Amino acid sequence: DIQMTQSPPSLSASVGDRVTITCQASQDIKYYLNWYQQKPGKAPKLLIYAASNVETGVPSRFRGSGSGTHFTFTISSLQPEDFATYYCEQYDNLPLTFGGGTKVEVK
Amino acid sequence: EVQLVESGGGLVQPGRSLRLSCAASGFTFDDYTMHWVRQTPGKGLEWVSGMTWASDKIAYADSVKGRFTLSRDNAKNSLFLQMNRLRAEDTALYYCVKDRASRYNSNWFFGVDVWGQGTTVIVSS
Repeated sequence: DIQMTQSPPSLSASVGDRVTITCQASQDIKYYLNWYQQKPGKAPKLLIYAASNVETGVPSRFRGSGSGTHFTFTISSLQPEDFATYYCEQYDNLPLTFGGGTKVEVK
Repeated sequence: EVQLVESGGGLVQPGRSLRLSCAASGFTFDDYTMHWVRQTPGKGLEWVSGMTWASDKIAYADSVKGRFTLSRDNAKNSLFLQMNRLRAEDTALYYCVKDRASRYNSNWFFGVDVWGQGTTVIVSS
């Protein structure tokens, strides 16, 4: 199975801050990576697919980059509604595997 | 609007069975690969099983292989997960999820794009 190592597990930030989360795959997954946002009591929501493509309707402050084994997710200017947990997912191979999540909290 | 609505969760004793259902709407269900993904506070998000639109490819996580059976009824826009010989470690919130891959793609999975709200399964005596 492909292991997805996501960091940091949590971070504290303020509105307007730039936030960066990374995901490291245990083997080359090309660009087969998604990023999700999950708020308490809600299902995950797709933000970024194929490493860098912003899903329709998702604000442009959310960005993804990377390929191979190293990926980065960035929120350019954190908004109040962005406090949530973020996950990466690889779909290069089954089983689909997810990172452990990054909880973005209020500083 | 794409919607996935799960049902069938509940409290069940170890060793017993449960059948989860997922009703899909807002998209052409029989075009897409579908999966179940579960979530627990301890283990996070874990893929359980997935199948193609035509049910000709089905895969299971090692942790459920031989105990869980995935099926779908395209005429009723529904996905099912039959869970037998349940264990305490199967306790989780189970999500029905849609894959981006359709019958027109060369690969049968392209990652999840839509999630249901989930149904909770608790395995306990």
